[in-house]
Amino acid sequence: QSVVTQPPSASGTPGQRVTISCSGSSSNIGSNAVNWYQQLPGTAPKLLIYSNNQRPSGIPDRFSGSKSGTSASLAISGLQSEDEADYYCAAWDDSLNGPLFGGGTKLTVL
Amino acid sequence: QIQLVESGGGVVQPGRSLRLSCVASGFTFSSFGMHWVRQAPGKGLEWVAEIWYDGNKKYHADSVRGRFTISRDNSKNTLYLQMNSLRAEDTAVYYCARDRSIRSGWFDPWGQGALVTVSS
Repeated sequence: QSVVTQPPSASGTPGQRVTISCSGSSSNIGSNAVNWYQQLPGTAPKLLIYSNNQRPSGIPDRFSGSKSGTSASLAISGLQSEDEADYYCAAWDDSLNGPLFGGGTKLTVL
Repeated sequence: QIQLVESGGGVVQPGRSLRLSCVASGFTFSSFGMHWVRQAPGKGLEWVAEIWYDGNKKYHADSVRGRFTISRDNSKNTLYLQMNSLRAEDTAVYYCARDRSIRSGWFDPWGQGALVTVSS
């Protein structure tokens, strides 16, 4: 069964740089692009990064994405209190024949 | 602006049916594939179903195949999810989302969500 793994939690202080990892396999991250979503408390998910490292218009350049092999990372620099949210990675899975989401990472700004 | 608005959620008994709707505005609905994604209380995101821009191809997750059906009416800019034989484990917020690129997991935007509670 295909799985994409994220750490359940991450934290940082204001101004700090934090990274969130996303680990998959050859059927998903290894062969398809990775997208990242931010879900603020009580709201719908919002696109943060698409195609591994592209930012939609309106997303600050404090957010960046990268991918290598079967893993990907989301980096947030200059951490702000409003960045406190759940973050999900997602990639198409060729075995599932559908998109596969990571379990999500809850980011806490201390 | 581009917007997706879901409706049709509610409380339903196990084994009964419910239909969700998602009305699109601000873009050419008939040019985009659409998806349903759900989120159980306190849990992560789970893909449910996909439909191509013209409705000719549909895909459903194993967990709902044979019980749920995705469909669309491009003349009404509306996406649907017919949910039959509902189970307690189907309790979730259901989001519709616009597909930005085929077979990519790139969704933008998402609707605000519709809560479905399956309980006796």
